[in-house]
Amino acid sequence: AAGVIQSPRHLIKEKRETATLKCYPIPRHDTVYWYQQGPGQDPQFLISFYEKMQSDKGSIPDRFSAQQFSDYHSELNMSSLELGDSALYFCASSFSATRNTGELFFGEGSRLTVL
Amino acid sequence: GDSVTQMEGPVTLSEEAFLTINCTYTATGYPSLFWYVQYPGEGLQLLLKATKADDKGSNKGFEATYRKETTSFHLEKGSVQVSDSAVYFCALSGYTGNQFYFGTGTSLTVIP
Repeated sequence: AAGVIQSPRHLIKEKRETATLKCYPIPRHDTVYWYQQGPGQDPQFLISFYEKMQSDKGSIPDRFSAQQFSDYHSELNMSSLELGDSALYFCASSFSATRNTGELFFGEGSRLTVL
Repeated sequence: GDSVTQMEGPVTLSEEAFLTINCTYTATGYPSLFWYVQYPGEGLQLLLKATKADDKGSNKGFEATYRKETTSFHLEKGSVQVSDSAVYFCALSGYTGNQFYFGTGTSLTVIP
């Protein structure tokens, strides 16, 4: 079965550079979530989208932005990167009809290292 | 706001030992509760879930019962295996379903 696809899997950037992460949800899933997981930390919710509109916002820095496109894929743009942005970034998707009872399906994550 | 409090680790057990990882929650309304597992270098995978009070989720020998009276969703397994070594996250889906709230994760190491 198709899963959530994230790219790139690994990314190395310098401080103050920009990075873009992509997420392709499971087909027919209309909701996408972004999470940031620092070393040894639990996943922290950043932002979510439903039907291409931002539906909820968590602890996403102002330097970050995200959007969901017409094909439901989502991109997380991170600018002015800082060392503390080094983390594993997870994308998850779900189907809105089961939103509060259904689980999130996670991708394998994109590991960002800022040097 | 909604939140999940999870037993801190790390936990080290011998193979075939009994496992309990405690999880309690705070939520308005009637949340759904989940346990996710994260193996080294991998993403989070759903282990089991319960969507209403007294529901019992089970999978791969793991069980957890949604206890509304104690606001708990403890994870149990009668006999752990080395392959169960991973980080386990308790999670809650709020009433609106717009956010998932994760506990801090409990690292489990099972030794032969």
